[in-house]
Amino acid sequence: DVVMTQSPDSLAVSLGERATITCKSSQTLLYRSNNKNYLAWYQQRPGQPPTLLFYWASTRESGVPDRFTASGAGTDFTLTISSLQTEDVAVYYCQQYYETPRTFGQGTKVEIK
Amino acid sequence: QVQLVESGGGVVQPGKSLRLSCTTSGFIFKKFGINWVRQAPGKGLEWVAVISYDGSSTYYADSVKGRFTISRDNSKNTVFLQMSSLKAEDTALYYCANDGAHGDYLGHWGQGTPVTVSS
Repeated sequence: DVVMTQSPDSLAVSLGERATITCKSSQTLLYRSNNKNYLAWYQQRPGQPPTLLFYWASTRESGVPDRFTASGAGTDFTLTISSLQTEDVAVYYCQQYYETPRTFGQGTKVEIK
Repeated sequence: QVQLVESGGGVVQPGKSLRLSCTTSGFIFKKFGINWVRQAPGKGLEWVAVISYDGSSTYYADSVKGRFTISRDNSKNTVFLQMSSLKAEDTALYYCANDGAHGDYLGHWGQGTPVTVSS
């Protein structure tokens, strides 16, 4: 199975400051035939189901604010919130859909400092 | 708008069975794979199973293989998760989610249905 490892497990950032989360996969998520990375990011606010933020590693889902960016390829990926807002307090998960089982990272909890 | 509504959760004794349902609307159901994902209390997300758009392919997490069965009824826009030989570690909030419009990520999620396995 593909193991997804996020870091850090939690971080506290001041309002308006940058938050950065990394996600590493135990094998490449790049499918060479289409040059796509099979990696998605989700946000789960307290008491809510997860919602999709990005797919194909860097394609922003409709409605996601542009202060959120995602990048990376192969085995190393990053989610960045450029200017943290109160509504961004949540747990963030990466997930690979390169193969089944479609494994998640353990999650990164983002809080306000 | 896209909606997925889970039902069928509850409290069940170890070793017993339970069937969850995921009823959907707002998208062309027969064109999308559907997943089940669970979240134990205070824990992270665990992908459980997926069924292809036509029901011809199913895949499971090792933790539930042989005990859980995913199926779908395209005439009712509904997916089922039959859970048998339940264990305490199956206690979780169970979400269904459809595959994305452009790939096998999880596009839309339901609110979840809770399952508690306890004697």
